[in-house]
Amino acid sequence: NAGVTQTPKFRVLKTGQSMTLLCAQDMNHEYMYWYRQDPGMGLRLIHYSVGEGTTAKGEVPDGYNVSRLKKQNFLLGLESAAPSQTSVYFCASSWYQETQYFGPGTRLLVL
Amino acid sequence: AQSVAQPEDQVNVAEGNPLTVKCTYSVSGNPYLFWYVQYPNRGLQFLLKYITGDNLVKGSYGFEAEFNKSQTSFHLKKPSALVSDSALYFCAVRGFNDYKLSFGAGTTVTVRA
Repeated sequence: NAGVTQTPKFRVLKTGQSMTLLCAQDMNHEYMYWYRQDPGMGLRLIHYSVGEGTTAKGEVPDGYNVSRLKKQNFLLGLESAAPSQTSVYFCASSWYQETQYFGPGTRLLVL
Repeated sequence: AQSVAQPEDQVNVAEGNPLTVKCTYSVSGNPYLFWYVQYPNRGLQFLLKYITGDNLVKGSYGFEAEFNKSQTSFHLKKPSALVSDSALYFCAVRGFNDYKLSFGAGTTVTVRA
């Protein structure tokens, strides 16, 4: 039981490049979330999903898109990366409104 | 809107001494409160939560937290800190009918030998 996994672990992008972060969970959780963590700001919610085929905006959605085509996967896309998107990205999942469980994170550096 | 405040950026204690990490919250209705811990270059690990019932909640690794409704606080405590407890601690809250967590900025705990 791997829990929540994220790929890649680390990535360097140039401004304007695109990429997709993948989150996978094997706990059959309905809800999934993408957060970004920046020093002194805690975690801020980017987008979330309450079920397969559904997505919704969080606190800081601008510059990101998401898709939940399969229940176990939640993808976060950056269409045109900016230096302000340099951050650590965490995926989480939960059984409906129960405790959220987090993945190990993806460190993204945008030059 | 819901929010969490962790008034201390850093907490330093000697090994064997009591550890307290403070958290206050604001939310409409009854709160669901959580504590998570993050070790360097790792994801967040769930420690404990308060949903309802006893105001003293016991969690993993000997941690506990006390819910105080009148003071809107949910402080994390450990009677005897270990060097291995050195980490970044986050308090989080959500409302009863909400599924979005709001996190505090985090408190860095350093336990010296």
